[in-house]
Amino acid sequence: KQEVTQIPAALSVPEGENLVLNCSFTDSAIYNLQWFRQDPGKGLTSLLLIQSSQREQTSGRLNASLDKSSGRSTLYIAASQPGDSATYLCACDSNDYKLSFGAGTTVTVRA
Amino acid sequence: DVKVTQSSRYLVKRTGEKVFLECVQDMDHENMFWYRQDPGLGLRLIYFSYDVKMKEKGDIPEGYSVSREKKERFSLILESASTNQTSMYLCASSGQGGDSGGELFFGEGSRLTVL
Repeated sequence: KQEVTQIPAALSVPEGENLVLNCSFTDSAIYNLQWFRQDPGKGLTSLLLIQSSQREQTSGRLNASLDKSSGRSTLYIAASQPGDSATYLCACDSNDYKLSFGAGTTVTVRA
Repeated sequence: DVKVTQSSRYLVKRTGEKVFLECVQDMDHENMFWYRQDPGLGLRLIYFSYDVKMKEKGDIPEGYSVSREKKERFSLILESASTNQTSMYLCASSGQGGDSGGELFFGEGSRLTVL
């Protein structure tokens, strides 16, 4: 069974600092990996989807990398802003409809 | 933009009541999902559907049923609500194939409280 881990559980940084969020998974046979953002009391917003054949994806200040052999993905957020404060979750799709989610990293960006 | 709409953001129901949670997506997605999210337990899959009238159990289907009569609509039913079903319920959908195949889109969530 796929296990997805996100460490640390919480992170606090000053505005302007680059954020590095980690996601590790136990089974490298994934179809894709997705990063989400969740604001308190809201649903999840898709940030980036990396297919298994890709090494990274970029969208604006966000960049996500995927290394299947080591079972790791990293989400980089450049020049963080207070509006980036949220919980970030990663999820692995093993092509069986049942995504495996990490518990998330809660980020606070201090003004 | 993909839109997944959940009919109710907040509901308060009494123990034993029948509860319907509705979800509609506008992107012609084949796959639809119902999750619940609880502090310390993360997201757990209740049911999913990969086609009209098709449904599959997820990890925690007990106490729930689902209905998918039309491609765009997926309903979650609590036949007899209990206090341990107090939770945030999240609906999601995804398509198949192409560059964005498998990308999961979520609704805003429905916060259910059972008294």
